[in-house]
Amino acid sequence: AQSVSQHNHHVILSEAASLELGCNYSYGGTVNLFWYVQYPGQHLQLLLKYFSGDPLVKGIKGFEAEFIKSKFSFNLRKPSVQWSDTAEYFCAVDNSGGGADGLTFGKGTHLIIQP
Amino acid sequence: NAGVMQNPRHLVRRRGQEARLRCSPVKGHSHVYWYRQLPEEGLKFMVYLQKENIIDESGMPKERFSAEFPKEGPSILRIQQVVRGDSAAYFCASSPPGTGGTGELFFGEGSRLTVL
Repeated sequence: AQSVSQHNHHVILSEAASLELGCNYSYGGTVNLFWYVQYPGQHLQLLLKYFSGDPLVKGIKGFEAEFIKSKFSFNLRKPSVQWSDTAEYFCAVDNSGGGADGLTFGKGTHLIIQP
Repeated sequence: NAGVMQNPRHLVRRRGQEARLRCSPVKGHSHVYWYRQLPEEGLKFMVYLQKENIIDESGMPKERFSAEFPKEGPSILRIQQVVRGDSAAYFCASSPPGTGGTGELFFGEGSRLTVL
């Protein structure tokens, strides 16, 4: 079965610091990759996604992620974080060729940005 | 902007009672998914439905849990004889026709069930 690992459960940064959140998955075949964000009191929303093509994908609010197939990784980055980036971030993987079981999510990373 | 609507947002039940959680997908979406989030855990897939059909229920507990997505009306996640371990946030998501099992999901704000 597919599994998704997010290495950091809690991250605290100061404003303007650079961010990188790790995500590794286990499935070795063709995958679709996602990062979702959940701001306090809100629903999950899509930050960015990778289906194919350029492995460096850009999402909303200045976020980007790089798919490295050889490392089974899809790390999320942002060069300069803002206080409003405080949220829970979830990496998710879909086995695009593997059936109808929805997305497999990591446990999430709680990001706190200090002013 | 009618996204995925879930109700109730908060539900309190005593052990042994029944819990019913409702989900109305984005208008035009024909795929509905239910996920459960336990404290300090990620979202765990429970069930994937299309209208009047359960496509994949591999994540559903074998007993007490059921789900439906009728031809008319919202999708319902039903938990019978609730126990304390059922306390969690239950999220519904939907996706457009033709994307079943893959692609972006649109999430509701979740229903938080507390079992006393």
